[in-house]
Amino acid sequence: DIQMTQSPSSLPASVGDRVTITCRASQNIITYLNWYQQKPGEAPKFLIYAASSLQRGVPSRFRGSGSGTDFTLTITSLQPEDFATYYCQQSHSTPITFGQGTRLEIK
Amino acid sequence: QITLKESGPTLVKPTQTLTLTCTFSGFSLTTSGVGVAWIRQPPGKAPEWLALIYWDDDKRYSPSLESRLTITKDTSKNQVVLEMANMDPVDSGTYYCAHKHPASWIFDYWGQGGLVTVSS
Repeated sequence: DIQMTQSPSSLPASVGDRVTITCRASQNIITYLNWYQQKPGEAPKFLIYAASSLQRGVPSRFRGSGSGTDFTLTITSLQPEDFATYYCQQSHSTPITFGQGTRLEIK
Repeated sequence: QITLKESGPTLVKPTQTLTLTCTFSGFSLTTSGVGVAWIRQPPGKAPEWLALIYWDDDKRYSPSLESRLTITKDTSKNQVVLEMANMDPVDSGTYYCAHKHPASWIFDYWGQGGLVTVSS
């Protein structure tokens, strides 16, 4: 199985901040990396696919990058609605696996 | 507009079999490449992919749970059913069904989820 490791586990930040979340795969997944946002009591919401392509309707302040084993999700100028938990997910091979999550919290 | 909704019991006893139904709309499970997945999430933990069924009835399971899982579809009803045998308290959590994008293992639409508690 491909293990996905995110850091940090939690990230205190303020509105307007620029934040970066890291996701590392245990083997080369090329750019088969997706990002999801989850708010309490809700299902995950699909944000980014193929490491850097935004799903339709996702604000441009969300940016994904990386390839191989190392990936990042950057949110420029945090908005109040961005405080949530973010998960990376590899779509390279089954079993499909998710990172353990990064909780973005208000400082 | 694609929507999915899970239904099933909220409480099951240990050793029982859990049966969950996903009823969907806005797409057809007869379209090439389309799939419906089941994903679960224990409280406070990451999502865990369980199973997927394709438009052509091909099935994929998480190897760690494969012996306990059965996924089936009823295209006439727009439903996908997941059975998980021999339930244990560690299987408690929210169970989601999700639409898999035809071109990749991307879960682009999710149901609202159903909370399942395993307890005697």
